[in-house]
Amino acid sequence: SQKIEQNSEALNIQEGKTATLTCNYTNYSPAYLQWYRQDPGRGPVFLLLIRENEKEKRKERLKVTFDTTLKQSLFHITASQPADSATYLCALDRDGGSQGNLIFGKGTKLSVKP
Amino acid sequence: DTAVSQTPKYLVTQMGNDKSIKCEQNLGHDTMYWYKQDSKKFLKIMFSYNNKELIINETVPNRFSPKSPDKAHLNLHINSLELGDSAVYFCASRGDPLEQFFGPGTRLTVL
Repeated sequence: SQKIEQNSEALNIQEGKTATLTCNYTNYSPAYLQWYRQDPGRGPVFLLLIRENEKEKRKERLKVTFDTTLKQSLFHITASQPADSATYLCALDRDGGSQGNLIFGKGTKLSVKP
Repeated sequence: DTAVSQTPKYLVTQMGNDKSIKCEQNLGHDTMYWYKQDSKKFLKIMFSYNNKELIINETVPNRFSPKSPDKAHLNLHINSLELGDSAVYFCASRGDPLEQFFGPGTRLTVL
């Protein structure tokens, strides 16, 4: 069956360190994968998109990698700050990308301690 | 300027009632979505409309009926509410290239 999994429900790190979140999937061949941030009581906010033919994408302190052989994406936040504390969701398309039919992982709750 | 707005933010109602949630986006996007986020925080797509036409209809009870009067609005009507319908419902619209913009959510509680 098709699955998307974010391995850690929660991740606690010290301010200034790099946070690395993992997203694995099975039985999909997504055209792209996205990462969102969700704060308590709010809707998800788009962060980054990476396509199947891209190995890595960066935006400021964020970096995403996409390995279609391993069926895995890694999401990195460098020089983490307490303001980065939130739940991070990965999402991939289910039908070749044409309709935005996304399936989301359950999320990883990141806590950055000062 | 709110990009994707939903009303109401909170909705508390009795089992068996019918209720609606409204969504509007001012981003000029053609495609809009409804998602359900349950108590375990699992976010699942329910429906999608592209320019007023239904394009995604996941396995959702037919008590749920989306309606799109124009491409800027996608409303969700729920008949005969059940306890299991309690969740947070998010509306979203899709930009270019593919990112989705979510509304603030409507927390539905069925008593």
